[in-house]
Amino acid sequence: DGGITQSPKYLFRKEGQNVTLSCEQNLNHDAMYWYRQDPGQGLRLIYYSQIVNDFQKGDIAEGYSVSREKKESFPLTVTSAQKNPTAFYLCASSPPNSGNTIYFGEGSWLTVV
Amino acid sequence: GNSVTQMEGPVTLSEEAFLTINCTYTATGYPSLFWYVQYPGEGLQLLLKATKADDKGSNKGFEATYRKETTSFHLEKGSVQVSDSAVYFCALKGNAGGTSYGKLTFGQGTILTVHP
Repeated sequence: DGGITQSPKYLFRKEGQNVTLSCEQNLNHDAMYWYRQDPGQGLRLIYYSQIVNDFQKGDIAEGYSVSREKKESFPLTVTSAQKNPTAFYLCASSPPNSGNTIYFGEGSWLTVV
Repeated sequence: GNSVTQMEGPVTLSEEAFLTINCTYTATGYPSLFWYVQYPGEGLQLLLKATKADDKGSNKGFEATYRKETTSFHLEKGSVQVSDSAVYFCALKGNAGGTSYGKLTFGQGTILTVHP
């Protein structure tokens, strides 16, 4: 089945560690996105990528990094510079048309301990 | 910039009650508008969408009409069920400046709880 797969579903990180969240899609979509969700704040855009080997900062990129070496994959690294990383992270993708829907993965919970 | 404002929740209803969740937006150009639903512990699922003024999106008994004159996209359902309990997000995808890869701007979400 086509879709967006995020892993791991739950992740615990110690202070000062970098962690990488995986996002893979087999929908043949050009664009991919990472959002962060905090209670009562909706979703905020971290990074997005329109094509392979290209990505742009979103509204809250500080403390995060991404890569887009393959069309299917858009991993997100939460670095130790991110001051408050505990959140629910959602990966999404869409085909290249402004009216088309953005599809979301199931999300990854990151908790700093 | 673009923004979306949803009515504050939580909203608590009895089964078979009528539902309205208000959503208004600010955007340049002609954005596409969406409602997404999130069930506990899950990602977001598209509920419905509208891509131009006066379009009505509908799905699973939910409806929303793109009203450019009032910059609104209110979500309605005539008779809610317990299984509709979830968080609902209004969102827009801007078209300003010829952007073909629109980024979604979300409202803060509205928690809906339906009791039997």
